Amino acid sequence: KQEVTQIPAALSVPEGENLVLNCSFTDSAIYNLQWFRQDPGKGLTSLLLIQSSQREQTSGRLNASLDKSSGRSTLYIAASQPGDSATYLCAVRPGSARQLTFGSGTQLTVLP
Amino acid sequence: GAVVSQHPSRVICKSGTSVKIECRSLDFQATTMFWYRQFPKQSLMLMATSNEGSKATYEQGVEKDKFLINHASLTLSTLTVTSAHPEDSSFYICSARRPGQTYEQYFGPGTRLTVT
Repeated sequence: KQEVTQIPAALSVPEGENLVLNCSFTDSAIYNLQWFRQDPGKGLTSLLLIQSSQREQTSGRLNASLDKSSGRSTLYIAASQPGDSATYLCAVRPGSARQLTFGSGTQLTVLP
Repeated sequence: GAVVSQHPSRVICKSGTSVKIECRSLDFQATTMFWYRQFPKQSLMLMATSNEGSKATYEQGVEKDKFLINHASLTLSTLTVTSAHPEDSSFYICSARRPGQTYEQYFGPGTRLTVT
């Protein structure tokens, strides 16, 4: 059974810092991996999707990497802003292309 | 990006009543929709997978007679919580999968259900 772990559970940084969020998964036979953002009391916003054949994806100040063999993904946020404060969730889709398995999330606070 | 809406965003009901939550994909047709439940400070737990025109597939431990799912069209799925109890109070989020090879999922804004 696939298990997804996110470390740290919470992170607080001053504005302007670059930061890395980590995601690890136990079964490397994945179809793709998706990073989401969730604001309090809201749904999920898809940030980046990385196919199993890809190593990284970039969107603006966000860069997600994938190392399938080691079961790891990172989300890099450059020049963090208070508006980046949210919970970040990673989710993996198994090789059968079925439903996502979510990590427990990292709650990020960017201090002004 | 694709848009998924949910209605209502917030509902309070009395114990024993039923509540219906709607999930719509606004700018694409979704043959598959998903229903998740999220408790405070926890991640999303998949409840069921809803396929248009067929019966939903429920995850282990989810009562199909309590959580009725209907996916009558390519843009609408509904979740009905029947005979609601306070322990059903939670945040319910739907998701629609966009057709295509990436299987990318888009999520609704969620519905906060409070059963008194």
